[in-house]
Amino acid sequence: GAVVSQHPSWVICKSGTSVKIECRSLDFQATTMFWYRQFPKQSLMLMATSNEGSKATYEQGVEKDKFLINHASLTLSTLTVTSAHPEDSSFYICSASEASETQYFGPGTRLLVL
Amino acid sequence: QKEVEQDPGPLSVPEGAIVSLNCTYSNSAFQYFMWYRQYSRKGPELLMYTYSSGNKEDGRFTAQVDKSSKYISLFIRDSQPSDSATYLCATRKGYSSASKIIFGSGTRLSIRP
Repeated sequence: GAVVSQHPSWVICKSGTSVKIECRSLDFQATTMFWYRQFPKQSLMLMATSNEGSKATYEQGVEKDKFLINHASLTLSTLTVTSAHPEDSSFYICSASEASETQYFGPGTRLLVL
Repeated sequence: QKEVEQDPGPLSVPEGAIVSLNCTYSNSAFQYFMWYRQYSRKGPELLMYTYSSGNKEDGRFTAQVDKSSKYISLFIRDSQPSDSATYLCATRKGYSSASKIIFGSGTRLSIRP
């Protein structure tokens, strides 16, 4: 089956610093990648959708200047949380899809901002 | 009103019991319905995927969709401790996987040995 990886699996950073999270599709070419955020005991909320080589489309209420998304290749997308604050602490999950196939989810990255 | 409503639980049942998980949705434009299983601190994995009203069976799992009442269900037969997880119902409008997925809040399920 299709495999999506994320790196790192968890990260702790100081308030004000930036953190980059990578999402890779290991055995397929992901034309579209998605970034979700999940707070404890809550559901996944879509943050943005990105197509390879294009600017990401952000959901309402998600600051595009704070959450920088790059989808430079068909197998890699990155999410950079700039000037992170404690309220950004969350579980960040990416998913990837190839053409019209279903979305495959990564294992998630747990971010803790001190 | 949330687009997808799901009882958060927690739900605890003995091993071997039949489990019924349910969701309702508000928008009749939703066409595709999914159930995901999410273990603690892991990403969700797709369990079932249905399009039309009716039942779809896969092993011990049965997904049921009733579009007339906007009600979706997941049944787990012969439940096992390894089924303990959070189950998320989800839906989307379009056929393409690039369509936005709307998730329910998830139901935490615990199977007691």
